[in-house]
Amino acid sequence: AQTVTQSQPEMSVQEAETVTLSCTYDTSESDYYLFWYKQPPSRQMILVIRQEAYKQQNATENRFSVNFQKAAKSFSLKISDSQLGDAAMYFCAYRSYNNNDMRFGAGTRLTVKP
Amino acid sequence: DARVTQTPRHKVTEMGQEVTMRCQPILGHNTVFWYRQTMMQGLELLAYFRNRAPLDDSGMPKDRFSAEMPDATLATLKIQPSEPRDSAVYFCASGLSGKRGEKLFFGSGTQLSVL
Repeated sequence: AQTVTQSQPEMSVQEAETVTLSCTYDTSESDYYLFWYKQPPSRQMILVIRQEAYKQQNATENRFSVNFQKAAKSFSLKISDSQLGDAAMYFCAYRSYNNNDMRFGAGTRLTVKP
Repeated sequence: DARVTQTPRHKVTEMGQEVTMRCQPILGHNTVFWYRQTMMQGLELLAYFRNRAPLDDSGMPKDRFSAEMPDATLATLKIQPSEPRDSAVYFCASGLSGKRGEKLFFGSGTQLSVL
C-alpha cells in the first residue's frame, strides 16, 4: 500500500515570507496524482494544488507551487508571500490512478506570524 | 456550486448507541470515500465505493462499522454500537474514477462525540 509521509508536524512563517512544506511518498506505481489540501479551522478540506506524475513540469497556482521529484518520491509545497489566511493544516495526498483511492499524510500545521 | 452534503454536522451520543452518518455525493460522481480524522491518526481511509460497489473497506472495524450506498445519491456510514474511541470527524468525499477524476470533493464532515 502507498504511504505518504509529512515529516514536519508544525511550521511557522513570517507574513510575506516564503515557506516550504515537505512530503515524501512510497509507491511502486508509475501513474498517479499528488495533491496538497488545506484544512482551515472551519475543517473544510480545500484543494490547493495537484500534480500528475507523468508531467515533469511542476504545478503552480498563484502563490503556491510544488517541487515534484519523481525519482526521489518527493512532493514539496512552496507558499510565497505568505498571508495570514494561509494558516491551516496542510495535507499531502497520493491518489492511485488505477485504484482511485486517496491516501493522506499526517499533516503539517502552518502558523503565519504577522 | 455542486457540493458534497453531509449530515449531521455534529452528533453527540452515548456509548452503545447506534450512529448513522449520511452523505450526498455530487451528482454524477461515481466514487465515494469515507475518511475518519483524529488528532492521533490523522486522516484514515475507512471505505470507498465505485459505482456503488464497495472496493475497499479494509480500514474499517468490521465488527461495528458498516458502509453502504443504497443508491447513487446516498452513502451511509453506520456505527453500532458506538464507543468513545469512535469520537472523531468523519468526512465523505466524492469524485470521478479514472483519468477524469483526480480531484476529490469533500463534505464539511460530521463531528461525532461518543460519551
